Amino acid sequence: AQTVTQSQPEMSVQEAETVTLSCTYDTSENNYYLFWYKQPPSRQMILVIRQEAYKQQNATENRFSVNFQKAAKSFSLKISDSQLGDTAMYFCAFMREGDKIIFGKGTRLHILP
Amino acid sequence: DVKVTQSSRYLVKRTGEKVFLECVQDMDHENMFWYRQDPGLGLRLIYFSYDVKMKEKGDIPEGYSVSREKKERFSLILESASTNQTSMYLCASSLILSSYEQYFGPGTRLTVT
Repeated sequence: AQTVTQSQPEMSVQEAETVTLSCTYDTSENNYYLFWYKQPPSRQMILVIRQEAYKQQNATENRFSVNFQKAAKSFSLKISDSQLGDTAMYFCAFMREGDKIIFGKGTRLHILP
Repeated sequence: DVKVTQSSRYLVKRTGEKVFLECVQDMDHENMFWYRQDPGLGLRLIYFSYDVKMKEKGDIPEGYSVSREKKERFSLILESASTNQTSMYLCASSLILSSYEQYFGPGTRLTVT
């Protein structure tokens, strides 16, 4: 069975710093998708970024980028120039082709002023 | 703009009560999901539905049932609420089952006393 592990339950960084959230996963599949979802306090969860396993190039969305290491089964999220609005719970997620999404347990990120 | 709504943000019920949690999406999505979110456990899938009147068990269906009589509405039912069902319940929808983007509702925080 596929598993998703987020080893950092909680993190705090100063505003404007760069922060990296870790995620590892376990699968024997070759075709799959990886995601980072963000859940701000008392607000709806939204998709931040996604990565298709067949793509070697790391996905980027503005200040958010990933470091996808397929052989190591690692998928970390880097947030550059962090802002107060980045304070949220972040979930790493995995989905194999044609199946449901499996979520990690989450990392609570605090951006400090 | 896509929208998933849930009938209540906060709900307090007594042990043994029958509880209905409602979810409505306005995106004509085929698939709808119910998750529960607990600290340290992440999101766990309770049930999902890929069509009207169709349902599939997720990872933790015990103590829950669901109903989908119309495409836009997916209800989660706790037949006899228990204190261990105190949790945050999230509804989500997606266009197709293997769609990597699920759209989430704001969540219902249920307390069973």
